[in-house]
Amino acid sequence: NAGVTQTPKFQVLKTGQSMTLQCAQDMNHEYMSWYRQDPGMGLRLIHYSVGAGITDQGEVPNGYNVSRSTTEDFPLRLLSAAPSQTSVYFCASSSFGEAFFGQGTRLTVV
Amino acid sequence: KQEVTQIPAALSVPEGENLVLNCSFTDSAIYNLQWFRQDPGKGLTSLLLIQSSQREQTSGRLNASLDKSSGRSTLYIAASQPGDSATYLCAADNTDKLIFGTGTRLQVFP
Repeated sequence: NAGVTQTPKFQVLKTGQSMTLQCAQDMNHEYMSWYRQDPGMGLRLIHYSVGAGITDQGEVPNGYNVSRSTTEDFPLRLLSAAPSQTSVYFCASSSFGEAFFGQGTRLTVV
Repeated sequence: KQEVTQIPAALSVPEGENLVLNCSFTDSAIYNLQWFRQDPGKGLTSLLLIQSSQREQTSGRLNASLDKSSGRSTLYIAASQPGDSATYLCAADNTDKLIFGTGTRLQVFP
């Protein structure tokens, strides 16, 4: 049982480049979300989805886009990377209030 | 706006001690309170989920309690072991959005 799978695990981008962080879950959960974790600030919600075709903004959505075409996948797109987006990104899926997290993507923007 | 605080920020104890980690939240209208463990460079592992109608949950040497009226949750770790060394995070669930504290970094030395 894979749970929540994130790819890639590490990524270095140049300022202005775009990329997509992938997230897939095999638990048939309707709710999925993206967080970023920064030192001293904890985890902050970027975007979330309550089901296929439905997405909404979290606390820090600027500079990021999401879509949810299937129950399983919830990719996060960085449109034009900035050094302020250097962080560790976590994807989660939830059922009955219990959240399960992926192993994270460590992103560095230079 | 929900705010979650964890005290202490760091804790170093000898093996065998019983520990209490504290989590407080400002908005008592939460659905659930979830405790996670995070090892360095890794994702979050769910430890315990306390639903709003419950007052505590237990798993092995771990016991978590929830007092919504006072805005507090505690994680009790019995007979601590070096393998318990990690960062412990609590998260309050408001309308399907998890709000995280900044964590307690625990070190248990032999």
